Amino acid sequence: DAKTTQPNSMESNEEEPVHLPCNHSTISGTDYIHWYRQLPSQGPEYVIHGLTSNVNNRMASLAIAEDRKSSTLILHRATLRDAAVYYCILSSNAGNNRKLIWGLGTSLAVNP
Amino acid sequence: KAGVTQTPRYLIKTRGQQVTLSCSPISGHRSVSWYQQTPGQGLQFLFEYFSETQRNKGNFPGRFSGRQFSNSRSEMNVSTLELGDSALYLCASSLAPDVINYGYTFGSGTRLTVV
Repeated sequence: DAKTTQPNSMESNEEEPVHLPCNHSTISGTDYIHWYRQLPSQGPEYVIHGLTSNVNNRMASLAIAEDRKSSTLILHRATLRDAAVYYCILSSNAGNNRKLIWGLGTSLAVNP
Repeated sequence: KAGVTQTPRYLIKTRGQQVTLSCSPISGHRSVSWYQQTPGQGLQFLFEYFSETQRNKGNFPGRFSGRQFSNSRSEMNVSTLELGDSALYLCASSLAPDVINYGYTFGSGTRLTVV
């Protein structure tokens, strides 16, 4: 199964953009890239996902490298509520099913 | 609408005992996945159920088992508990077992402590 590598922790200031990197050099052609985040004392929540093209939604943007070996989650203006562990995940096509392969994530601290 | 409900929130058990955890998915969701989360290992996939059938299974010993009922509620059971089973157990529900088109919604988890 393809794995992801993320920095253990990052720090940002409130209202500034945050770029969270993820390396997935062994990604296969059919693997999707997903981002989830986990706020303290909660389960993970969906942020965004994509295959090849950059993606935008109300929460964030996902920039995928042309060779797909890395991607970056972009929070355009960090707020205190964005302090969480961010997981970059690949969905592996296991037979007819897809399961998520989770890494250890990046713990993001947001300074006021 | 109500989210994913996991009960109980906290549980303390003794080594050798067994435990049953419950997960009620979002109404209309028929797929339920279970994950074990520990500080050193992160989220580890346990199993996934859809329409009462186990669709996928992670690399856990046979002491870990689960089932899904006709109303989509799911339970997981761990027998002969070991200290290493102490973890946060997370349940995720989805409309169908297709994570591409139907993302996961997680519950807040059950914190199991084995002493």
